[in-house]
Amino acid sequence: GAGVSQSPSNKVTEKGKDVELRCDPISGHTALYWYRQRLGQGLEFLIYFQGNSAPDKSGLPSDRFSAERTGESVSTLTIQRTQQEDSAVYLCASSLGQGLIGELFFGEGSRLTVL
Amino acid sequence: QKEVEQDPGPLSVPEGAIVSLNCTYSNSAFQYFMWYRQYSRKGPELLMYTYSSGNKEDGRFTAQVDKSSKYISLFIRDSQPSDSATYLCAMSGASGGSYIPTFGRGTSLIVHP
Repeated sequence: GAGVSQSPSNKVTEKGKDVELRCDPISGHTALYWYRQRLGQGLEFLIYFQGNSAPDKSGLPSDRFSAERTGESVSTLTIQRTQQEDSAVYLCASSLGQGLIGELFFGEGSRLTVL
Repeated sequence: QKEVEQDPGPLSVPEGAIVSLNCTYSNSAFQYFMWYRQYSRKGPELLMYTYSSGNKEDGRFTAQVDKSSKYISLFIRDSQPSDSATYLCAMSGASGGSYIPTFGRGTSLIVHP
C-alpha cells in the first residue's frame, strides 16, 4: 500500500500479557516514529528510528517497552507484562528524513486495551 | 508545565464561521511549527507548517507564528462540517541534531450545519 500500515488495528489483552505492535512505513522513508495517544491526550513521543538505529529512545516510559526496526523497513513495538495504564492508541509515523522538517505520515494506529 | 499547551475544547461553531485555534509553548528552541488534523479513529495528517515567525496561507487556512510571545494560531475561514476534527499543533527545533515534533493535546472542533 501507499501509506503507513499498522497491525493489529485493535488489540484487547489481559494485564500481565505481552503484546507486539507492527508498523510498515512508506517505502523509502528512512525515519520512523512511535507515539502513544491516551484518551483525550496529545501524542506522547516514544522512540525514533533513523534507518535501523534508534538514536532517541528517551520517550519509552519503562523497561517493559522496547522496539526494533529491521531492513530499514518494518518496526515492532513490544510491551511486556502489560498494565492497564498502557491502554492507548499507538501511532506509527514515517518520514523521508530527519534534520529538516519532514512531513510525518501517520498510520491509523493500534488501539490497545488492557483489561 | 508542558512544553506545548493547547485547549482541548470542544469548540463548536456554525457552518461558515471563522475558527481560531491556538497553542502556546515554552521551548525557545522550537523553529518549525505545524498543524495536523485528525479525524476520529484515523492518524493525524499534516495541514500546514511554517518556519520561524510569520504568516502562511493555504486556501481557507492561515497559520500564524509569534515567536516573541511563544504563541501560534490556525485560522479556518468559511468553516465546513467536513472540518470537524481534532486539530493538533506540533513544533520542533534542533535538539542534539534531532527535530522530533512535540505535539499539543489537540483541540476538538465541531462545525454544525
